Amino acid sequence: DVKVTQSSRYLVKRTGEKVFLECVQDMDHENMFWYRQDPGLGLRLIYFSYDVKMKEKGDIPEGYSVSREKKERFSLILESASTNQTSMYLCASRFDYNEQFFGPGTRLTVL
Amino acid sequence: TQLLEQSPQFLSIQEGENLTVYCNSSSVFSSLQWYRQEPGEGPVLLVTVVTGGEVKKLKRLTFQFGDARKDSSLHITAAQPGDTGLYLCAGGARWGAGNNRKLIWGLGTSLAVNP
Repeated sequence: DVKVTQSSRYLVKRTGEKVFLECVQDMDHENMFWYRQDPGLGLRLIYFSYDVKMKEKGDIPEGYSVSREKKERFSLILESASTNQTSMYLCASRFDYNEQFFGPGTRLTVL
Repeated sequence: TQLLEQSPQFLSIQEGENLTVYCNSSSVFSSLQWYRQEPGEGPVLLVTVVTGGEVKKLKRLTFQFGDARKDSSLHITAAQPGDTGLYLCAGGARWGAGNNRKLIWGLGTSLAVNP
């Protein structure tokens, strides 16, 4: 079975803290994605990676960075967390025909 | 800008009823997926349709891709409480100069099936 795991289900951080969200997939997929999901705004792409050490900005990359040192692992970094980054963060790994397999999500609250 | 509009936004029905949700766009998509998301979880892929006019069935769920590949529908027969969730459609689109593809997401239809 396909599996995408995320390091935390719930996370509470303070404004200004550096935050790391980790995602691991066991499917040997080349493509991985980070989204955030907010009510009324849907799923918005932050960054995606199409290979190790390769990354592309998504629709809302401001305030975020990513790291992909190994094929199975894709990390999202909030350099200095702000309250408007409170959200549900979803990692996905891509199969063919654009099909994406998602992790369970991390609900991040920034106080 | 490619957009996918889903309707209705919210739907609350009784167990046993039938329902249809829609996903519409003015753009052509190479493929279209339907996902279901339960509260506090990530979306789970239900089906992918790639050919205009294609119809796929998954037990009580019937998915249709429009002939022009601009729209899709999901029909649920005899809905059950276990069908409750957020139904998302997503269209495959090229992005950038290379061979990269991304998904264009609808905002979803939130379905509640009451016992």
